[in-house]
Amino acid sequence: GQNIDQPTEMTATEGAIVQINCTYQTSGFNGLFWYQQHAGEAPTFLSYNVLDGLEEKGRFSSFLSRSKGYSYLLLKELQMKDSASYLCAVRDRLAGNTGKLIFGQGTTLQVKP
Amino acid sequence: DTGVSQDPRHKITKRGQNVTFRCDPISEHNRLYWYRQTLGQGPEFLTYFQNEAQLEKSRLLSDRFSAERPKGSFSTLEIQRTEQGDSAMYLCASSLAPPAHNEQFFGPGTRLTVL
Repeated sequence: GQNIDQPTEMTATEGAIVQINCTYQTSGFNGLFWYQQHAGEAPTFLSYNVLDGLEEKGRFSSFLSRSKGYSYLLLKELQMKDSASYLCAVRDRLAGNTGKLIFGQGTTLQVKP
Repeated sequence: DTGVSQDPRHKITKRGQNVTFRCDPISEHNRLYWYRQTLGQGPEFLTYFQNEAQLEKSRLLSDRFSAERPKGSFSTLEIQRTEQGDSAMYLCASSLAPPAHNEQFFGPGTRLTVL
């Protein structure tokens, strides 16, 4: 079956670093994505990993270990505007070249002053 | 604005009524996806088009749901005989075809409330 797990909620302090973990078990794998979603808004793309290792983009970094079915999103120098839901998604390769994304339930991050 | 647009943004309807939503993807994107998202959950895949061809439908998409993309540009999602369980945010996303298809761009969504 398809299963993507991430914590439901996290709280962190402004200026700090937070790591949001994601584990997955899917029939196929063709990349892992992180999206940010503010309440009532559309998801916006943050990062993409298809090979093992760390991808860094400004204050955000994402790590992937395919053998462990594990990824994390690292947010540095947290700002109040980072309060949002963070969605982990796997692109499923099983259904040919569809490119459809299988999402986890999302992690709601609250940044406190 | 050259992003993905959806219309309407909100729709309130009574159980049993039919509703239709529209999605306008980014113009050069030939892939278009529909997802459904309920409160506290991540989006769930519904269906996918490459140009005008509907290539995959989720088992979540019952016979009451139909989607079209007649000219390979905008798409419509129709729900017939709506039920309260259809209440959700309906998201549309578009992307390029492989190999340049790594990012799906999402529209703002249509929030459906079935009374």
